[in-house]
Order: sequence, then C-alpha cells, then structure tokens
Amino acid sequence: KNEVEQSPQNLTAQEGEFITINCSYSVGISALHWLQQHPGGGIVSLFMLSSGKKKHGRLIATINIQEKHSSLHITASHPRDSAVYICAVGYTGTASKLTFGTGTRLQVTL
Amino acid sequence: NAGVMQNPRHLVRRRGQEARLRCSPMKGHSHVYWYRQLPEEGLKFMVYLQKENIIDESGMPKERFSAEFPKEGPSILRIQQVVRGDSAAYFCASSPGQGTGPGNTIYFGEGSWLTVV
Repeated sequence: KNEVEQSPQNLTAQEGEFITINCSYSVGISALHWLQQHPGGGIVSLFMLSSGKKKHGRLIATINIQEKHSSLHITASHPRDSAVYICAVGYTGTASKLTFGTGTRLQVTL
Repeated sequence: NAGVMQNPRHLVRRRGQEARLRCSPMKGHSHVYWYRQLPEEGLKFMVYLQKENIIDESGMPKERFSAEFPKEGPSILRIQQVVRGDSAAYFCASSPGQGTGPGNTIYFGEGSWLTVV
C-alpha cells in the first residue's frame, strides 16, 4: 500500500524560529516533491528531490532514500511562510502520478 | 513564459448541470495531470494525459467524469450531472516529459474551485 505520512499536522511558530516538517513514505520512489499551498490558493512546487539535499533561500529539503524519509526546513521563519506544506511522491513504477501527504499547516506569528 | 493556466478559477453549478474545467499547460509541456482536493482532504490523482492520449486514468471516478487533451487547445476536465460531492478544488499540473522522475519538474496551476449547490 502506497502511503505518505507527514508530521506534524499543525505547527505554530514564532517569527525567526527554525522549522522542520517531516515526510515518510512506504516504498521505493522515483522523486519526492515539497509543495506549498496558501489558503484558497494555488500550489507552488518548492523542491523535487531524488537524493541528497537542496537549498533555495531560507528553505532546505533533504531526503534519505534508505530510511524513506524527507525533511523540509525553514530557517528564520516569517509570517509570510504561513501556508500548508505538502509532501508528494512519485512511486517507482507509477511515476506518472503523485501520491500526496495530508499536509502540514504552518502558522508563523510575530 | 506563462505558468499553468486554469479557468475558471471559481465555478458554481447546480446539481445535475455540467462543469467544464480548462487547463493550459506551460509552453513546451505536453504532459498534463489533473488532481482533486476535496474539502479538508489531501490531493488525489485523477488522470494523466499527453496530447490526444489518456495515459493513466486510474484516479478518475468511473462515471460522469472525463478528460481530454486535444491536439490544439487546453486540456478539459468534464464533469457531467454534478452532485454536491463533486465540490472540490481541481488542480492541473504539467511537465515537459513523462512521469515524475528526476529532472522532470512539475508545475501546478492555481486551481479551479467547483461549488455544487
């Protein structure tokens, strides 16, 4: 059974805090995506990973293929980072479709 | 280079009517994916299309739903005889190549919010 688990489901942080969101999946994947969705808004693709680590501005994404785990980190968080962060994977053999986690709702306060 | 364009952004339909959602992929992208996000639920895959072909429709409900991606024009997701349970956000995504493997970045549209009254 293909599953994508995210934690935490909800996260509140103060401005400036370092934030980590975790994602675990069950079987081999061809790629893992981190997505951002603002309330009532569209979806922005933040990262696509198949191994290692990627960094873009204050965002860092890592993946451990052996442990089937990925993390999204936000350094020096800001209220504009408030959004839902979604992990999605393309499984090996079914790479044409993404399987999504339920998302992590992040609220960053002043 | 415009992103993935979806329209309408918001659509209200009465039960029994038809809903048509359009998606124009990014320039140069020939692969289109449709996903549905039900209220308070995660995103779910519906269908994957290439120009004039349905590649994978394993996520499409068996009845009332259809999708196409003609040689010319946008991809269309069509829902016939809509019911309240069809109320959801429908997202389109496109990619330049096949699948979601490394190097084949996927881009999402802003979504179309369907409300069935």
